[in-house]
Amino acid sequence: EAGVAQSPRYKIIEKRQSVAFWCNPISGHATLYWYQQILGQGPKLLIQFQNNGVVDDSQLPKDRFSAERLKGVDSTLKIQPAKLEDSAVYLCASSSLAGGVDTQYFGPGTRLTVL
Amino acid sequence: DAKTTQPTSMDCAEGRAANLPCNHSTISGNEYVYWYRQIHSQGPQYIIHGLKNNETNEMASLIITEDRKSSTLILPHATLRDTAVYYCIVRPYSGNTGKLIFGQGTTLQVKP
Repeated sequence: EAGVAQSPRYKIIEKRQSVAFWCNPISGHATLYWYQQILGQGPKLLIQFQNNGVVDDSQLPKDRFSAERLKGVDSTLKIQPAKLEDSAVYLCASSSLAGGVDTQYFGPGTRLTVL
Repeated sequence: DAKTTQPTSMDCAEGRAANLPCNHSTISGNEYVYWYRQIHSQGPQYIIHGLKNNETNEMASLIITEDRKSSTLILPHATLRDTAVYYCIVRPYSGNTGKLIFGQGTTLQVKP
């Protein structure tokens, strides 16, 4: 079974520039998450999709961050304009309620450095 | 905020059992205990979860106290590849998927 795919793996930009990350979840997984992990901290949820609808975006800085999930499969996360404090690893995860158990599977993440 | 307390770091000798404690004294009756780990430069990986009974799978065992206020993750024969940050997470099971709230976790260093 293929895992969660993310690209790019690394990205370096200057502040005020824009950037986009892509995620392809595990086939058949209805739920998709984007987490932000700042160095030395645990991941923090930014947004959760159920199919192509948003379930939770309470922690998403909506003035600069946006996300969409096209046709309930792939997803993109965009930052415009980026700030220095956006330097972090952006993790995508997907899950399904197989057998009544919700297990989240994470991708390798995209490491963003904002200069 | 995370609802669990874990030691910041632990060491374990290769081949020995690694016992990672977690305190979750405010856990509710409908909340499960989940364990994930994160190896350097990788995304978190699911290990195991439980409600009140002890659980075992191919990766680890989970021991939950009778009052459910604490638990221990046991890696029976730790290897160098088990060096990682281990996260203990409590979350409700309502039949719906939901976010994981990660704390700081325990950094486990397995030494030769």
